[in-house]
Amino acid sequence: GNSVTQMEGPVTLSEEAFLTINCTYTATGYPSLFWYVQYPGEGLQLLLKATKADDKGSNKGFEATYRKETTSFHLEKGSVQVSDSAVYFCALSDNNAGNMLTFGGGTRLMVKP
Amino acid sequence: EAGVTQSPTHLIKTRGQQVTLRCSPISGHTSVYWYQQALGLGLQFLLWYDEGEERNRGNFPPRFSGLQFPNYSSELNVNALELEDSALYLCASSLGSGTEETQYFGPGTRLLVL
Repeated sequence: GNSVTQMEGPVTLSEEAFLTINCTYTATGYPSLFWYVQYPGEGLQLLLKATKADDKGSNKGFEATYRKETTSFHLEKGSVQVSDSAVYFCALSDNNAGNMLTFGGGTRLMVKP
Repeated sequence: EAGVTQSPTHLIKTRGQQVTLRCSPISGHTSVYWYQQALGLGLQFLLWYDEGEERNRGNFPPRFSGLQFPNYSSELNVNALELEDSALYLCASSLGSGTEETQYFGPGTRLLVL
């Protein structure tokens, strides 16, 4: 079956630091890959996505590249802000798995001023 | 444009009771998904409805059921509530049914079973 593994948190950074959250996946088909963010007390918001190999998704300074050869979709940001503090979820959707999103366990990011 | 809406926002029930959660998708979206976010268990897929039909079901017992109405809104019903059903229930909708489609999430319904 499908699975998503992402680095455990919490990740604590100072403002303006570089962020990397690792995400690797296993899938039986040709998945689309997503990063969602969950701010405290809220639902999930799409951060970025990539639908085929070598695609780069980007939004709000965050980016991630779909690497089929390493089955990875690592999230990066060059300079984090306090407002980026949230839980980040890597997810995949696979045509062999009936459109369900398979999520990683989430990574809590805390950015200190 | 309004996003996905869910009601109620919070709910407290006791073991053995039944509960109905409601979801209205983004206008024009025909697919609705339900997920459970339980503490320590992460996000797990429950159900997918598209054009009024159940298309896929996650690994949950039959007491979790739902339906989608002609206006594409959806209900999630949970019978014979158990303590471990306490969770945030998230509804999502998408414009189409392809795997590349983005699922847009509502704010969730937080259910507490005592």
